[in-house]
Amino acid sequence: NAGVTQTPKFQVLKTGQSMTLQCAQDMNHNSMYWYRQDPGMGLRLIYYSASEGTTDKGEVPNGYNVSRLNKREFSLRLESAAPSQTSVYFCASSESRYSNQPQHFGDGTRLSIL
Amino acid sequence: TQLLEQSPQFLSIQEGENLTVYCNSSSVFSSLQWYRQEPGEGPVLLVTVVTGGEVKKLKRLTFQFGDARKDSSLHITAAQPGDTGLYLCAVDRYQAGTALIFGKGTTLSVSS
Repeated sequence: NAGVTQTPKFQVLKTGQSMTLQCAQDMNHNSMYWYRQDPGMGLRLIYYSASEGTTDKGEVPNGYNVSRLNKREFSLRLESAAPSQTSVYFCASSESRYSNQPQHFGDGTRLSIL
Repeated sequence: TQLLEQSPQFLSIQEGENLTVYCNSSSVFSSLQWYRQEPGEGPVLLVTVVTGGEVKKLKRLTFQFGDARKDSSLHITAAQPGDTGLYLCAVDRYQAGTALIFGKGTTLSVSS
């Protein structure tokens, strides 16, 4: 029962470096999401993909890009990392884009930007 | 302005005590979800409520959706250390079924 798998689990970057966070789900879900979680800020949506071939901005998209590679995989790219992007990043998936559908989360990537 | 206000922000209690946490908004929602997040893990869905006044029970956890569908509460009876975690409520972000917006959560610590 893999569910949603995120890699890597931990990463330390220097300011200005680039990196791609990987996410894959094995539940045949149509919709996928990227969130960041910061102390006192809750979960904030970065980007989402309602279905394969589509992506849309969420609440905090600046500094990030995404790719819905196929139905299973949704990656998040930091082109030029900044200390403000230090956070825990969560990928999630759901059967459809409708809000009453449960979202299934990975265990997160803990990213530090020095 | 935060769409969802969760209270209290932190709660520290002894095993066996009862507690209630709240999720409030001035907006009306078609549905509301509650998640629990344990340290080092992603959130896990506990329940979805969709009808005003609805009450759902999950073992010692009781969830209620307000009659006007603007707020919700989570009541835990006889809390146990295993209930420790971050409790998050979430609603439809754009009222059109595209993504969720989460409250900041209530951090619960239950000590034995």
